[in-house]
Parts: sequence; structure tokens; C-alpha cells
Amino acid sequence: QKEVEQNSGPLSVPEGAIASLNCTYSDRGSQSFFWYRQYSGKSPELIMFIYSNGDKEDGRFTAQLNKASQYVSLLIRDSQPSDSATYLCAVDMNTGFQKLVFGTGTRLLVSP
Amino acid sequence: EPEVTQTPSHQVTQMGQEVILRCVPISNHLYFYWYRQILGQKVEFLVSFYNNEISEKSEIFDDQFSVERPDGSNFTLKIRSTKLEDSAMYFCASSEADYNEQFFGPGTRLTVL
Repeated sequence: QKEVEQNSGPLSVPEGAIASLNCTYSDRGSQSFFWYRQYSGKSPELIMFIYSNGDKEDGRFTAQLNKASQYVSLLIRDSQPSDSATYLCAVDMNTGFQKLVFGTGTRLLVSP
Repeated sequence: EPEVTQTPSHQVTQMGQEVILRCVPISNHLYFYWYRQILGQKVEFLVSFYNNEISEKSEIFDDQFSVERPDGSNFTLKIRSTKLEDSAMYFCASSEADYNEQFFGPGTRLTVL
């Protein structure tokens, strides 16, 4: 069973702090990694994707990938109350055609 | 900005009835997907579709489910005989190419009574 694991949270941070969200995955052959944000009752919204080991920055967001440890993370700098949502880690399990396997998500609460 | 659209936003049906959920993927995208999310649970892959055929499907996608691209813009998911456990949010997604990022539609909430 190919799995993606996330701490369900909630992760509480004060406004302006750095939020760190983590994800591990079971399939060592996985190639593509995605972070989605999901507000309650809404659909997943793509924030970042990363394919190579290391860091990838986009504005306040940084995705980090370590394939040897099968670990991917998302850092949110200068967290805002509007960042409060569930963050979903999704992994393409390298089955031929793209099929995303999602974690359960980490709920982030940013307090003013 | 182009986006995936889905109709209806909410569908209520009786157990045993057929439902068709509709999606219009982003116009230059070639790969299409359906996912579902039961309330409080994770997003689950159902099926991927490319070049007018299913490329991959999950164990959930049994004989009661089918997908179709009836014309150049629509992509549909049909559930032939709905069960109570089919109640969920159904998300359509599309991507420009394989291994590219997938963009999700707003979802259809299916309620089976």
C-alpha cells in the first residue's frame, strides 16, 4: 500500500511566524511532489510542486525535498491568518500515468 | 486565468439512481482526472483519462463507474447505481501533460439518500 503520511495537527502559529509542514511517503520511486491548500468545503488549490532534491522557493513558500529520507516539507514564512487552512501533501507514485496519492492533510491555524 | 469548472455544485439523489457529474477541464490540457473526498477523509484518486481512454483507475472505480469525453470540452463521471457510501465531494482535475501539476475544479457534492 503506497502511503503519504502527515501530522493532522492542528499546527498553531502566531501571525508573522514561520509554519513548517511535513510529509513522508512510502514509495522510494516517487518523482513528483505537490502541496495543495484546502479551505473548509473547498477544493484543493495548488501551492507548490517540487521534483528535485533541495529547496524550491516561491514568494513566502519554500518546498523542501529529501528523496533519500522520503521526506518533503513546506515552509510558510510571515504566516498570515488567511493562511489558516488544511495543507495537503500529494505524491505521484510513479505508476506510469500520473496518479496523486494524498495525505490526510495538516490543519494550520495562524492567530492574529 | 483559466480554470476547471464543474456542474452541478450539489447533487442529491436516491440510492440506486444514476448520476452524471460534469467537468470542463482547462482548454489546452490533455490529461483529465476524477478524485473524491468523503467528508473528513483524504482525497482519493478514482481515474485518469488521456487520448479518449482510461489510463489508470483505482480499486474504488468499479463497474458502477464510467467516464467519458462526449465532446471537445466536457469530461463526465457516471455512477450507474448510487450507493449511500458514494456520498462525497467529487473533484475533477486536469493537467497539460503527464507529470505536470494538476489543477482541481470546485467539486460536486454528491448526497445519496
